[in-house]
Amino acid sequence: GDSVTQMEGPVTLSEEAFLTINCTYTATGYPSLFWYVQYPGEGLQLLLKATKADDKGSNKGFEATYRKETTSFHLEKGSVQVSDSAVYFCALSVTGNQFYFGTGTSLTVIP
Amino acid sequence: EAEVAQSPRYKITEKSQAVAFWCDPISGHATLYWYRQILGQGPELLVQFQDESVVDDSQLPKDRFSAERLKGVDSTLKIQPAELGDSAMYLCASSLVGVNTGELFFGEGSRLTVL
Repeated sequence: GDSVTQMEGPVTLSEEAFLTINCTYTATGYPSLFWYVQYPGEGLQLLLKATKADDKGSNKGFEATYRKETTSFHLEKGSVQVSDSAVYFCALSVTGNQFYFGTGTSLTVIP
Repeated sequence: EAEVAQSPRYKITEKSQAVAFWCDPISGHATLYWYRQILGQGPELLVQFQDESVVDDSQLPKDRFSAERLKGVDSTLKIQPAELGDSAMYLCASSLVGVNTGELFFGEGSRLTVL
């Protein structure tokens, strides 16, 4: 079945450090891939997405590239800020109607 | 900016009691989802509606959970009787039908604590 595996946390970084959160997927078809972010006390919101192989999604300084050959969609940011502290979820959808989420990676950025 | 509205934000109840959660999706969004998020885990789909019809409720514990979307707009998720293991965040999300934007719009969630 379709599923997403992402690196376990929690992750703690100093401000301006480089961030990578790994995500790999298993899908029966050709999925679209997403990163959602959940700030404390809030619901999830879409951070970025990629709909086909080699696409790069980007938003708010975050980037992720859809790698079909390695079935991966790793999230990166060159310089994290305290305001980036949140839980990050990798997700996929093959049908555009059903979504499968990873377990989430908690990020804490310290000044 | 349009939002998905959920209520209540927090609910504390004793086991064996009944609880209900309400969701009002973004206007015009035909697809509505209820997810359960246990602390430290990702959201898991409970039920999905297309307009007023259930598309997927395969993971809904039907002996105690029920969901409805009578007019194809707002929706109610009910638990009766509540059990200790039901303590979780219940998230509602909506999306446009027929448009593979891939974007789910989530509400802020309803946090349930069962004592």
